[in-house]
Amino acid sequence: DAKTTQPTSMDCAEGRAANLPCNHSTISGNEYVYWYRQIHSQGPQYIIHGLKNNETNEMASLIITEDRKSSTLILPHATLRDTAVYYCIVNTYKYIFGTGTRLKVLA
Amino acid sequence: GAVVSQHPSWVICKSGTSVKIECRSLDFQATTMFWYRQFPKQSLMLMATSNEGSKATYEQGVEKDKFLINHASLTLSTLTVTSAHPEDSSFYICSATTTDRANTGELFFGEGSRLTVL
Repeated sequence: DAKTTQPTSMDCAEGRAANLPCNHSTISGNEYVYWYRQIHSQGPQYIIHGLKNNETNEMASLIITEDRKSSTLILPHATLRDTAVYYCIVNTYKYIFGTGTRLKVLA
Repeated sequence: GAVVSQHPSWVICKSGTSVKIECRSLDFQATTMFWYRQFPKQSLMLMATSNEGSKATYEQGVEKDKFLINHASLTLSTLTVTSAHPEDSSFYICSATTTDRANTGELFFGEGSRLTVL
């Protein structure tokens, strides 16, 4: 069973920051949080991952709460190309995908 | 980043035939590979996990005799859909992970293979 909970869908205006939340209240101490996204009919694309510190790369920022029970993926300046389904996964031996968040970036 | 390649990207076959999908890690050794199936507007569903040289571990509800998985080398895994039927039509995606670069278990995904059974 998926160990994460995400909102089903979100809209974001182009050029604005998109904040995608994820709850993972049963995460254990050595499990990483990964974010992937899937654009229609393609394989998932890696975005970012973290353990307990906030992380930033060229695509996004990942904010993990101090208790590690939730995290937020931030796309700082969303573009139309960021329209996709975003999945938050807690790293276990089996990588189980939840339902993800369908982000629609609006012009 | 590490590259995983799937082939074919799409395939159409007649009901009753078998179809093989290949998944290759191009620039790293994939110690573990995962096979997923995705129906339209649904999430990825894990079918099985395979380690090189070992039998695949199938998820509950996935028929191991119908979905044959072979992981004979550290760079190649295959999924064979045997006696395919229209209900097997789906998007099949492989992914791989590696420990040879002291990574954190990041998954590398193939492009996916769309199977249509007539």
